[in-house]
Amino acid sequence: DAKTTQPNSMESNEEEPVHLPCNHSTISGTDYIHWYRQLPSQGPEYVIHGLTSNVNNRMASLAIAEDRKSSTLILHRATLRDAAVYYCILYNSGGSNYKLTFGKGTLLTVNP
Amino acid sequence: DTAVSQTPKYLVTQMGNDKSIKCEQNLGHDTMYWYKQDSKKFLKIMFSYNNKELIINETVPNRFSPKSPDKAHLNLHINSLELGDSAVYFCASSRGGQTNEKLFFGSGTQLSVL
Repeated sequence: DAKTTQPNSMESNEEEPVHLPCNHSTISGTDYIHWYRQLPSQGPEYVIHGLTSNVNNRMASLAIAEDRKSSTLILHRATLRDAAVYYCILYNSGGSNYKLTFGKGTLLTVNP
Repeated sequence: DTAVSQTPKYLVTQMGNDKSIKCEQNLGHDTMYWYKQDSKKFLKIMFSYNNKELIINETVPNRFSPKSPDKAHLNLHINSLELGDSAVYFCASSRGGQTNEKLFFGSGTQLSVL
């Protein structure tokens, strides 16, 4: 499985933008970059995904480097409810069985 | 209505017992999954079913047996429970299991084996 590297933890202040980095230097050409988050005591929640181009949705933006070896999840205005573990995942397209493999993620703390 | 629902939310049982966790999705998805999150918070895929057919089995002990009576349900039966089975189990679903699709997760079942 292609691996991702994320900082263990990050801190932000409420209403400020947050940039969560992810390195994935061994990404293959057909791997999608997915971001999920897990709030305390809840199941993982889809945030955003992309292949090559930057993506925006109501929750966040995903900026993908031109060589695709890194990406950044951008929360435009962090709220206390954004405090969670954020997972950057390469959705494995190797073989015929697709599986979403979670790493350690980044624990985001949002200060009031 | 909850998209992916699991029952029970909490399950406390003794070693050696057999227990089941039920999962249902009302999204019309073809693919369902079971994930396990251990005490260190690592999320690992256990099984994946597509249209009631097992497509992923991640070296899970034979004591774990998933059963999919129809596309909307994927239950997890665990025989002879061990202390190490204590974890949070998450069910998830996706439309067709492709890499450009998103997974929807349930809220989890916290299993405690005493």
